[in-house]
Amino acid sequence: EADIYQTPRYLVIGTGKKITLECSQTMGHDKMYWYQQDPGMELHLIHYSYGVNSTEKGDLSSESTVSRIRTEHFPLTLESARPSHTSQYLCASSIRGSGGADTQYFGPGTRLTVL
Amino acid sequence: KNQVEQSPQSLIILEGKNCTLQCNYTVSPFSNLRWYKQDTGRGPVSLTIMTFSENTKSNGRYTATLDADTKQSSLHITASQLSDSASYICVVADRGSTLGRLYFGRGTQLTVWP
Repeated sequence: EADIYQTPRYLVIGTGKKITLECSQTMGHDKMYWYQQDPGMELHLIHYSYGVNSTEKGDLSSESTVSRIRTEHFPLTLESARPSHTSQYLCASSIRGSGGADTQYFGPGTRLTVL
Repeated sequence: KNQVEQSPQSLIILEGKNCTLQCNYTVSPFSNLRWYKQDTGRGPVSLTIMTFSENTKSNGRYTATLDADTKQSSLHITASQLSDSASYICVVADRGSTLGRLYFGRGTQLTVWP
């Protein structure tokens, strides 16, 4: 079981609200990621970070923002939630494994519903 | 167009039976291929990672194969158990960037019946 945590696990909010999805890991991993996943669809990378004070946008355009002030913490913020933001958000961290391939560890996810 | 295609989309088998899931990819240049298991409402958990030089890797009852020439991989599950019911996701990493970009398949939804 990976030591990566996400809160809340489920969130139902109204349109226009500001929300922050929390992600923390206790494994000391430098790389962290946020993915968005809709039912039956593939994961899409929306943000990633190589380390403290390093953040980059991923492949999928997202209106969310992230910050990386501490190694263990990688929160994602939506300034004004919309129904189109309804999705599952997965946080992950990674470490370089043997053979050079990063092994990713995923959190349990946050299921967000925007009404 | 998704560069990782998985089949079948869903599969139902009886407990104790074996099954094989398929993954075809077009990602290039290839770095490695991973299989993940994702239980409903949970994050994916890594089962195997294979690099270009590896053509088979096992993790308990799970055995993954890789043919880098034909760009195909399979995940074989032996003596299935009810707890094997999950989505199995094929992920391919490229060598084109420092990040090692990951391309995700949509998964095969496996249901094991008693």
